[in-house]
Amino acid sequence: QVHLLGSGPGLVKPSQTLSLTCTVSGDSISYYYWNWIRQPPGKGLEWIGYIYYDGNTKYNSALKSRVTISVDTSKNQFSLQLTSVTAADTAVYYCATAPYSGSYYFHFDYWGQGALVTVSS
Amino acid sequence: QSVLTQPPSASGTPGQRVTISCSGSSSNIGSNTVNWYRQLPGTAPRLLLYTNLQRPSGVPDRFSGSKSGTSASLAISGLQSEDEADYYCATWDDSLNGPVFGGGTKLTVL
Repeated sequence: QVHLLGSGPGLVKPSQTLSLTCTVSGDSISYYYWNWIRQPPGKGLEWIGYIYYDGNTKYNSALKSRVTISVDTSKNQFSLQLTSVTAADTAVYYCATAPYSGSYYFHFDYWGQGALVTVSS
Repeated sequence: QSVLTQPPSASGTPGQRVTISCSGSSSNIGSNTVNWYRQLPGTAPRLLLYTNLQRPSGVPDRFSGSKSGTSASLAISGLQSEDEADYYCATWDDSLNGPVFGGGTKLTVL
């Protein structure tokens, strides 16, 4: 069983960079896709992107210009950076795993507890 | 505007069977398997069904899924009060080249 724990600042100023880290325990960081997903207050879920343990990434095209996901296998952690944030980026940010099974079977099997990030001056 | 379309709400009484629909297109549901997530109030989503109808360990067989063409559905039988939650469908979209979600359905147990 994989356990995910997200962490990072809960308040970010407009135009600054949002940074979150997800620490993985219970299994190696290898052989999964490591994802970030967000949920604005009272709204639905939006996939942000993923990284594979070898460093390959895929991002939501709507956010691609502002997103970087990185991985530190030595610490069993992966991280999210979202630049030039606005109030529209206020959301609960979840980290989640997806087994390495191809797009046809793609699903998120374990989720972190979520971290609320508010963008406000 | 979500790529996958779900009814915003559904309801039923204890013991009843309810279904939640999820509609997509040929580039998503029509080409890939569908997954369902349940989100209890104030908590993270959890995988409920994957690959259209597979249940992860610990999910009771009251939950079932099906897919036909570009639509999918989640059925919950023997409805219980603890089933009150938001339910999301999701799949991969080949055109967008990434996973997409439905807007979510809020299930109320009357």
